[in-house]
Amino acid sequence: DAKTTQPTSMDCAEGRAANLPCNHSTISGNEYVYWYRQIHSQGPQYIIHGLKNNETNEMASLIITEDRKSSTLILPHATLRDTAVYYCIPLGTGTASKLTFGTGTRLQVTL
Amino acid sequence: DADVTQTPRNRITKTGKRIMLECSQTKGHDRMYWYRQDPGLGLRLIYYSFDVKDINKGEISDGYSVSRQAQAKFSLSLESAIPNQTALYFCATSDYETSYYNEQFFGPGTRLTVL
Repeated sequence: DAKTTQPTSMDCAEGRAANLPCNHSTISGNEYVYWYRQIHSQGPQYIIHGLKNNETNEMASLIITEDRKSSTLILPHATLRDTAVYYCIPLGTGTASKLTFGTGTRLQVTL
Repeated sequence: DADVTQTPRNRITKTGKRIMLECSQTKGHDRMYWYRQDPGLGLRLIYYSFDVKDINKGEISDGYSVSRQAQAKFSLSLESAIPNQTALYFCATSDYETSYYNEQFFGPGTRLTVL
C-alpha cells in the first residue's frame, strides 16, 4: 500500500480557500486517491476521489499532479464547519476492507 | 449520518464484563464494518461483513466478535472487556457500487470506557 505524507496541521481564514496537500510518491497505477474528513469525534465523511484527472464535486476539488505523486484537496470557501481532520488515502478500487486512516491533517478554520 | 445509528453512544464498564455495541442502518446497504479509533490515532478495521452470511476479520479482531443478525444490523461484542479496549467505535456501511469506489457511510460512534 502506498504511504502518504500530510502536514500535521493547517490554519485557514473563513471564506478563503483551504488547500490541503498530500504526498503519495509510492502510489501504484491502479490506486485512486481518496479524501475523507472527520469532524471532532464524529464518524469520518467521504469527500472525493480521483485517479489522474482533476475532480470536483459539491464539497471540494481534487488536483492530482501529472506524475500522480502528490495531490491537493481544495475547499474553495472554507467555513467554520470545515474544521476537521482530513485524510488522504491511496487505494485500489473494490478494496473497502483495506480503507485505513492514518493521522491526517488537522485543519482549523478561523474567523 | 442519521441513516446509520449506533447504540449506546457512551458506555462505561468494568474489566471482565461482556459488552455489545449495536449498529443499525436504513440505507439498504449490504456491507457493514466495525472500526475503532484510539486518541490521536487513525481508524483501524475490526470486522467487516459483505452480506448476512459473510463475516471477515479485519486488522485487529482479537478480543472481539460480531453478529450480523440481518442486513440492517451488525453487532460488535467484547466477550471480556479489558482497559486497552477503551476507544471510540464506529460502524460503517456501503453497497456494491459505493464499495467499489471505497465510499463508506459512518455512524456517529460509541465511546467505550473500560475501567
